[in-house]
Amino acid sequence: LAKTTQPISMDSYEGQEVNITCSHNNIATNDYITWYQQFPSQGPRFIIQGYKTKVTNEVASLFIPADRKSSTLSLPRVSLSDTAVYYCLVGLGYSSASKIIFGSGTRLSIRP
Amino acid sequence: DADVTQTPRNRITKTGKRIMLECSQTKGHDRMYWYRQDPGLGLRLIYYSFDVKDINKGEISDGYSVSRQAQAKFSLSLESAIPNQTALYFCATSDEDSSSTDTQYFGPGTRLTVL
Repeated sequence: LAKTTQPISMDSYEGQEVNITCSHNNIATNDYITWYQQFPSQGPRFIIQGYKTKVTNEVASLFIPADRKSSTLSLPRVSLSDTAVYYCLVGLGYSSASKIIFGSGTRLSIRP
Repeated sequence: DADVTQTPRNRITKTGKRIMLECSQTKGHDRMYWYRQDPGLGLRLIYYSFDVKDINKGEISDGYSVSRQAQAKFSLSLESAIPNQTALYFCATSDEDSSSTDTQYFGPGTRLTVL
């Protein structure tokens, strides 16, 4: 699986747009990029997934450049409740041996 | 996710005791996983199962064993618990999707303390 690198922590304020970038230089052709959110003492929760260009859902947007060596999770107008750890994962598009690896993630702190 | 349940939610035990953590899911997924999370760290995969007859070791399987009793049930056992197994344990499920990476759905976690 492709190794991912993301900032350890980020701070922002309510109402701001937050962008968290993840590097995955060794991404393979079939790999998708998936982001999870985790609140303290809870299991991670799927946020968004994409393969290329831009994906948007009701929670976030995911921007993936043409070379796919990085991706950016964009959270519009964050609130205090967006304070959490965000994990970027890159995995196999299909496989009987997919093993998802969670790194340490990015700890996002939102201030009033 | 309420479709994935774990029991117990909290457990305190002593060194050397055998402990079983249970996971049940109503999502109808074939794939199930056990992770542990230590304070301030990400999740590490212990075991995973892609169907009832399939069991695979993850990154940190030593000291653990699992049983896949049915599609909906996946149990994690600590045969002889030790203090460094104190952690938060998560069960997860996913459904094989040929078009994208498996999306995993996590249970609420079991906080295990080994004294």
